[in-house]
Amino acid sequence: EAEVAQSPRYKITEKSQAVAFWCDPISGHATLYWYRQILGQGPELLVQFQDESVVDDSQLPKDRFSAERLKGVDSTLKIQPAELGDSAMYLCASSLSGQGITGELFFGEGSRLTVL
Amino acid sequence: QKEVEQDPGPLSVPEGAIVSLNCTYSNSAFQYFMWYRQYSRKGPELLMYTYSSGNKEDGRFTAQVDKSSKYISLFIRDSQPSDSATYLCAMSVSGAGSYQLTFGKGTKLSVIP
Repeated sequence: EAEVAQSPRYKITEKSQAVAFWCDPISGHATLYWYRQILGQGPELLVQFQDESVVDDSQLPKDRFSAERLKGVDSTLKIQPAELGDSAMYLCASSLSGQGITGELFFGEGSRLTVL
Repeated sequence: QKEVEQDPGPLSVPEGAIVSLNCTYSNSAFQYFMWYRQYSRKGPELLMYTYSSGNKEDGRFTAQVDKSSKYISLFIRDSQPSDSATYLCAMSVSGAGSYQLTFGKGTKLSVIP
Protein backbone atom coordinates (compact mmCIF):
# COMPACT_ATOMS: atom_id res chain seq x y z
CA GLU A 1 0.00 0.00 0.00
CA ALA A 2 1.33 3.45 -0.95
CA GLU A 3 2.45 5.60 1.94
CA VAL A 4 3.65 9.13 2.61
CA ALA A 5 7.33 8.96 3.51
CA GLN A 6 8.89 11.40 5.96
CA SER A 7 12.38 11.81 7.32
CA PRO A 8 13.90 12.05 9.79
CA ARG A 9 11.49 10.37 12.23
CA TYR A 10 13.17 12.05 15.18
CA LYS A 11 15.34 15.15 15.40
CA ILE A 12 16.94 16.70 18.47
CA THR A 13 18.54 20.09 18.00
CA GLU A 14 19.64 23.05 20.01
CA LYS A 15 17.86 26.36 19.73
CA SER A 16 19.17 28.69 17.04
CA GLN A 17 20.20 25.73 14.86
CA ALA A 18 18.70 24.99 11.46
CA VAL A 19 16.58 21.89 10.87
CA ALA A 20 14.97 20.43 7.76
CA PHE A 21 12.27 17.82 7.19
CA TRP A 22 11.58 15.95 3.98
CA CYS A 23 8.37 14.47 2.65
CA ASP A 24 7.60 12.24 -0.32
CA PRO A 25 3.83 12.07 -0.95
CA ILE A 26 1.86 9.24 -2.48
CA SER A 27 2.47 9.09 -6.21
CA GLY A 28 -0.15 11.05 -8.13
CA HIS A 29 -1.24 13.18 -5.18
CA ALA A 30 -1.07 16.77 -6.36
CA THR A 31 -1.92 18.33 -3.01
CA LEU A 32 0.65 18.27 -0.21
CA TYR A 33 0.25 19.61 3.32
CA TRP A 34 2.58 20.29 6.21
CA TYR A 35 0.95 20.26 9.64
CA ARG A 36 2.38 20.91 13.09
CA GLN A 37 1.00 18.96 16.04
CA ILE A 38 1.97 20.06 19.51
CA LEU A 39 1.63 17.36 22.18
CA GLY A 40 -1.98 17.15 23.33
CA GLN A 41 -3.29 19.29 20.46
CA GLY A 42 -4.77 18.66 17.05
CA PRO A 43 -2.75 19.21 13.87
CA GLU A 44 -2.55 22.79 12.59
CA LEU A 45 -1.87 23.56 8.95
CA LEU A 46 1.41 25.29 8.21
CA VAL A 47 1.41 25.21 4.41
CA GLN A 48 -0.53 23.63 1.56
CA PHE A 49 0.78 23.04 -1.96
CA GLN A 50 -1.10 22.33 -5.14
CA ASP A 51 1.56 20.83 -7.40
CA GLU A 52 4.50 23.20 -6.93
CA SER A 53 2.43 26.25 -5.96
CA VAL A 54 1.65 27.40 -2.44
CA VAL A 55 -2.12 27.77 -1.98
CA ASP A 56 -2.15 28.52 1.76
CA ASP A 57 0.74 29.51 4.00
CA SER A 58 -1.19 31.94 6.18
CA GLN A 59 -0.18 30.10 9.40
CA LEU A 60 3.47 29.60 8.46
CA PRO A 61 5.83 31.75 10.60
CA LYS A 62 7.68 33.09 7.62
CA ASP A 63 10.42 34.77 9.61
CA ARG A 64 11.85 31.36 10.45
CA PHE A 65 9.97 28.71 8.47
CA SER A 66 10.19 28.00 4.77
CA ALA A 67 8.74 25.28 2.58
CA GLU A 68 9.26 24.27 -1.00
CA ARG A 69 8.02 21.71 -3.47
CA LEU A 70 10.16 22.54 -6.45
CA LYS A 71 9.11 19.83 -8.94
CA GLY A 72 5.66 19.31 -7.54
CA VAL A 73 6.57 15.98 -6.00
CA ASP A 74 8.58 15.83 -2.77
CA SER A 75 8.80 18.72 -0.34
CA THR A 76 11.10 20.17 2.29
CA LEU A 77 10.16 22.17 5.39
CA LYS A 78 12.95 24.17 6.99
CA ILE A 79 13.20 25.97 10.30
CA GLN A 80 15.98 28.48 10.89
CA PRO A 81 16.66 29.32 13.64
CA ALA A 82 14.82 26.75 15.75
CA GLU A 83 13.20 27.96 18.98
CA LEU A 84 12.12 26.04 22.08
CA GLY A 85 8.46 26.50 21.12
CA ASP A 86 9.03 24.66 17.83
CA SER A 87 9.19 21.32 19.64
CA ALA A 88 6.34 19.35 18.05
CA MET A 89 5.46 16.62 15.57
CA TYR A 90 5.67 17.81 11.98
CA LEU A 91 3.25 15.87 9.82
CA CYS A 92 3.20 15.71 6.06
CA ALA A 93 0.03 14.65 4.27
CA SER A 94 -1.06 14.31 0.67
CA SER A 95 -4.33 14.00 -1.17
CA LEU A 96 -5.76 13.82 -4.64
CA SER A 97 -6.89 17.19 -5.95
CA GLY A 98 -10.31 18.11 -4.59
CA GLN A 99 -10.37 15.45 -1.87
CA GLY A 100 -8.84 17.56 0.86
CA ILE A 101 -12.14 19.19 1.74
CA THR A 102 -13.59 15.79 2.63
CA GLY A 103 -10.59 15.07 4.81
CA GLU A 104 -9.26 12.29 2.56
CA LEU A 105 -5.69 13.08 3.50
CA PHE A 106 -3.01 10.45 3.87
CA PHE A 107 -0.58 11.31 6.64
CA GLY A 108 2.99 10.22 7.07
CA GLU A 109 4.31 8.97 10.40
CA GLY A 110 5.65 12.43 11.20
CA SER A 111 8.95 13.95 12.23
CA ARG A 112 9.22 14.60 15.95
CA LEU A 113 11.35 17.65 16.74
CA THR A 114 12.80 18.39 20.14
CA VAL A 115 14.53 21.74 20.59
CA LEU A 116 16.84 22.00 23.61
CA GLN B 1 -13.53 30.18 22.18
CA LYS B 2 -11.91 27.73 19.78
CA GLU B 3 -13.80 26.85 16.63
CA VAL B 4 -13.78 23.14 17.51
CA GLU B 5 -13.98 21.86 21.08
CA GLN B 6 -13.17 18.28 22.03
CA ASP B 7 -12.78 16.79 25.49
CA PRO B 8 -9.23 15.39 25.65
CA GLY B 9 -10.15 12.67 28.13
CA PRO B 10 -8.54 10.30 28.82
CA LEU B 11 -11.43 7.88 28.42
CA SER B 12 -11.05 4.32 29.67
CA VAL B 13 -13.64 1.61 28.91
CA PRO B 14 -13.81 -2.19 29.22
CA GLU B 15 -13.59 -4.32 26.10
CA GLY B 16 -16.96 -4.72 24.43
CA ALA B 17 -18.35 -1.38 25.66
CA ILE B 18 -20.01 1.18 23.44
CA VAL B 19 -17.85 4.28 23.19
CA SER B 20 -19.21 7.76 22.53
CA LEU B 21 -16.86 10.52 21.43
CA ASN B 22 -18.05 14.07 20.82
CA CYS B 23 -17.11 17.47 19.46
CA THR B 24 -18.85 20.82 19.42
CA TYR B 25 -18.15 23.65 17.05
CA SER B 26 -18.99 27.30 16.64
CA ASN B 27 -18.69 27.93 12.88
CA SER B 28 -22.04 27.17 11.27
CA ALA B 29 -20.39 27.28 7.84
CA PHE B 30 -18.62 23.95 8.34
CA GLN B 31 -19.79 21.53 5.64
CA TYR B 32 -17.83 18.31 6.05
CA PHE B 33 -17.18 16.51 9.31
CA MET B 34 -14.47 13.89 9.80
CA TRP B 35 -13.14 11.52 12.40
CA TYR B 36 -9.50 10.43 12.46
CA ARG B 37 -7.76 7.80 14.55
CA GLN B 38 -4.18 8.41 15.64
CA TYR B 39 -2.11 5.69 17.24
CA SER B 40 0.79 6.71 19.45
CA ARG B 41 3.75 8.07 17.45
CA LYS B 42 1.85 7.73 14.16
CA GLY B 43 0.07 10.11 11.83
CA PRO B 44 -3.73 10.40 11.84
CA GLU B 45 -5.78 8.16 9.56
CA LEU B 46 -9.22 9.03 8.30
CA LEU B 47 -12.00 6.80 9.68
CA MET B 48 -14.94 8.43 7.97
CA TYR B 49 -16.44 11.69 6.84
CA THR B 50 -20.00 12.95 6.55
CA TYR B 51 -21.53 15.82 4.67
CA SER B 52 -23.99 18.06 6.51
CA SER B 53 -26.35 16.50 9.07
CA GLY B 54 -27.16 12.82 9.43
CA ASN B 55 -25.65 9.47 10.27
CA LYS B 56 -23.05 7.33 8.56
CA GLU B 57 -22.11 3.80 9.53
CA ASP B 58 -18.98 1.82 8.72
CA GLY B 59 -18.68 -1.50 10.47
CA ARG B 60 -18.50 -0.90 14.22
CA PHE B 61 -18.23 2.88 13.75
CA THR B 62 -21.13 5.32 13.43
CA ALA B 63 -20.73 9.06 12.88
CA GLN B 64 -23.53 11.49 13.67
CA VAL B 65 -23.79 15.16 12.79
CA ASP B 66 -26.38 17.52 14.29
CA LYS B 67 -25.84 20.87 12.62
CA SER B 68 -28.70 22.51 14.52
CA SER B 69 -26.84 21.84 17.78
CA LYS B 70 -23.35 22.18 16.25
CA TYR B 71 -22.52 18.78 17.71
CA ILE B 72 -20.91 15.71 16.18
CA SER B 73 -20.40 12.24 17.60
CA LEU B 74 -18.55 9.03 16.88
CA PHE B 75 -19.86 5.79 18.33
CA ILE B 76 -17.76 2.64 18.52
CA ARG B 77 -19.66 -0.59 19.14
CA ASP B 78 -18.08 -3.68 20.67
CA SER B 79 -14.89 -1.78 21.42
CA GLN B 80 -11.61 -3.71 21.14
CA PRO B 81 -8.18 -3.14 22.69
CA SER B 82 -6.98 -2.32 19.16
CA ASP B 83 -9.31 0.71 19.23
CA SER B 84 -7.06 2.28 21.89
CA ALA B 85 -5.86 5.49 20.26
CA THR B 86 -6.50 9.21 20.13
CA TYR B 87 -9.58 10.17 18.13
CA LEU B 88 -9.58 13.54 16.40
CA CYS B 89 -12.61 15.26 14.99
CA ALA B 90 -12.13 17.69 12.12
CA MET B 91 -14.31 19.96 10.01
CA SER B 92 -13.95 21.82 6.78
CA VAL B 93 -15.46 24.69 4.90
CA SER B 94 -14.70 25.87 1.37
CA GLY B 95 -14.48 29.39 0.09
CA ALA B 96 -12.66 31.56 -2.45
CA GLY B 97 -11.18 28.51 -4.21
CA SER B 98 -9.64 26.99 -1.11
CA TYR B 99 -10.70 25.23 2.07
CA GLN B 100 -9.70 24.99 5.70
CA LEU B 101 -9.53 21.82 7.75
CA THR B 102 -9.87 22.48 11.49
CA PHE B 103 -9.04 19.75 14.01
CA GLY B 104 -10.14 19.23 17.58
CA LYS B 105 -7.57 18.45 20.28
CA GLY B 106 -8.35 14.75 20.23
CA THR B 107 -9.75 12.34 22.84
CA LYS B 108 -7.43 9.63 24.13
CA LEU B 109 -9.26 6.31 24.40
CA SER B 110 -8.08 3.18 26.21
CA VAL B 111 -10.01 -0.07 25.83
CA ILE B 112 -9.12 -2.40 28.67
CA PRO B 113 -9.16 -6.20 27.96
